[in-house]
Order: sequence, then structure tokens, then C-alpha cells
Amino acid sequence: GNSVTQMEGPVTLSEEAFLTINCTYTATGYPSLFWYVQYPGEGLQLLLKATKADDKGSNKGFEATYRKETTSFHLEKGSVQVSDSAVYFCALSHNAGNMLTFGGGTRLMVKP
Amino acid sequence: EAGVAQSPRYKIIEKRQSVAFWCNPISGHATLYWYQQILGQGPKLLIQFQNNGVVDDSQLPKDRFSAERLKGVDSTLKIQPAKLEDSAVYLCASSLVQEGGYTFGSGTRLTVV
Repeated sequence: GNSVTQMEGPVTLSEEAFLTINCTYTATGYPSLFWYVQYPGEGLQLLLKATKADDKGSNKGFEATYRKETTSFHLEKGSVQVSDSAVYFCALSHNAGNMLTFGGGTRLMVKP
Repeated sequence: EAGVAQSPRYKIIEKRQSVAFWCNPISGHATLYWYQQILGQGPKLLIQFQNNGVVDDSQLPKDRFSAERLKGVDSTLKIQPAKLEDSAVYLCASSLVQEGGYTFGSGTRLTVV
């Protein structure tokens, strides 16, 4: 079956540090890949997505590249801010039904 | 555009009691999902509706969980009787068509004591 594995948190960084959150997946065929963010007390928000191999999704300074050869979709940001503190979820879906399979989430804490 | 509305925000019940959650999706969104998010884990799909029909309920514990979407708009998710392990955040999401992007509600946090 489909599964998503993320690095465990929490990840603690100082403001302006470089961020990488690793995500790998197991799936048949060619899934679409997503990063969702959950700020404290809020619902999940779509951060970025990629629908085919070598696509790069980007939003708010975050980016991730769909790597089929390594089945990965790592999230990166060059310079994090305190406001980026949240839980980040990697997810995949297949066209059939568009059901999302999520990873366990990675908590990011950015200190001033 | 109004978001996905859920109520209540919080609910505390004793085990073996029943509870119901309500979701109002974005107007016009045909597909509605209920996810369960246990603390420290990623959300897990419970049930997916397309209009008022069930598309996937393979992970719904049907001995205690039920869900309906009358008239293809609002939806309710019920647990009867609740168990301690049902403590979680219940998220509702909707999308315009089956291949569309999701919009999640803020969720209902259930605590079973």
C-alpha cells in the first residue's frame, strides 16, 4: 500500500537558518505529492504540490522537488522565520478518489 | 470565500457515550472527506463522499462510526459508543471535484475520558 515517511521532529532552528525536512514515499504508479502546514490552533493548509517527476513546487520561500528515482519530496527553505514555526506534513495522492496519505508530521520550531 | 466550517471545536465525553460532529463544506464543493488525526500522527482518511454518495469508507470503523451527507451538502460524523482510543482531532475537508485541491476545516478536538 501507499505510505509516507518523514523525519521525526522537533526540528529546532535559529531564525535565518536553512531548513530541510526529509520525506520519502512508497506508492504504485505516479502519485501527486504535497506538503501541508498546520499552524498552532489552525487547520491544515496546502503549502505546495508537485504532480509529476522532476516538478518543483514552491510557495512562501519553501520548495520541494519530486524525485522519482529516490522516491523523495524533501522540503527546503533558505532562511526560516519565527512565523514558520508549525507542523509540516508530507502527503501523496493518486488520481483515483484523490485520497491523501499523510506522513506523521514534523514539528519545526524557529527561535529568534 | 468562506472556508470549511466545523463544530464543535472541542468536545469532552466519557467512554461509551455518543458524540456527533458537523461539517459545512465550501459552497459548491462536491467532494467531502472526514479524517482522524491522533496526537502526534498524520491525518488518516475515515470516509469520502462525492455529493451524497460514499466513495470510500474502507477505513471507517463501522461498528461504532457512522457518517452521512444529506442532500450532498452538510455532513455529520457520529461515534457510538466512544472508546478512549477515539480521542483525536476530526478534520473535515472539501474539494470542488475529485481531482481538486483540498480545503481543510479547523477540526473538532475530541477527548474521551
